[in-house]
Amino acid sequence: EPEVTQTPSHQVTQMGQEVILRCVPISNHLYFYWYRQILGQKVEFLVSFYNNEISEKSEIFDDQFSVERPDGSNFTLKIRSTKLEDSAMYFCASTPDRGRVSNQPQHFGDGTRLSIL
Amino acid sequence: GDSVTQMEGPVTLSEEAFLTINCTYTATGYPSLFWYVQYPGEGLQLLLKATKADDKGSNKGFEATYRKETTSFHLEKGSVQVSDSAVYFCALSNGRNQFYFGTGTSLTVIP
Repeated sequence: EPEVTQTPSHQVTQMGQEVILRCVPISNHLYFYWYRQILGQKVEFLVSFYNNEISEKSEIFDDQFSVERPDGSNFTLKIRSTKLEDSAMYFCASTPDRGRVSNQPQHFGDGTRLSIL
Repeated sequence: GDSVTQMEGPVTLSEEAFLTINCTYTATGYPSLFWYVQYPGEGLQLLLKATKADDKGSNKGFEATYRKETTSFHLEKGSVQVSDSAVYFCALSNGRNQFYFGTGTSLTVIP
């Protein structure tokens, strides 16, 4: 079964540095998402992306964050200047199509654990 | 706003015991409801879903029924196995392409 893949599995970065998390969604999917899960807390929505632009974003997704689909397969999350509180597990997800989007389950990658020192 | 409230864990059960993990939701409109499972070191996997009132989602012996009158989507399994040990997340999709997750319930099944 096709799956969402994320790299790296673990990223360690100094505070203030830029970090790029990478995701390869399932190939025929059209909607892409990023979530984060701070250790011991709930999974939080960050942003959704469709047709090469942001569709929805949460309050967490401030100017430090950006997303990009640089080619036909990758979907990236960039954090411009990392803070200690950015340490979390970041999950990428995708869904097949827009029709009746509320009925579509999201397919998740295994996540990237980001540790900010 | 839309939200999901999930039973707090951790839950520890003996093998073959009956499992219930409670989930209630708050939403405008007609959301779809999901249960996801996260095994240690892995990502979120869809376990089951229900897209309208009175629908029952089922998979791998797990079941959950979408109850609009009680705004609930409780997860049940009649006989748990050690391999069911994981964290279970209730989630809601509101049709605006956002998912809202509960805090997760950790389940440990002991032989």
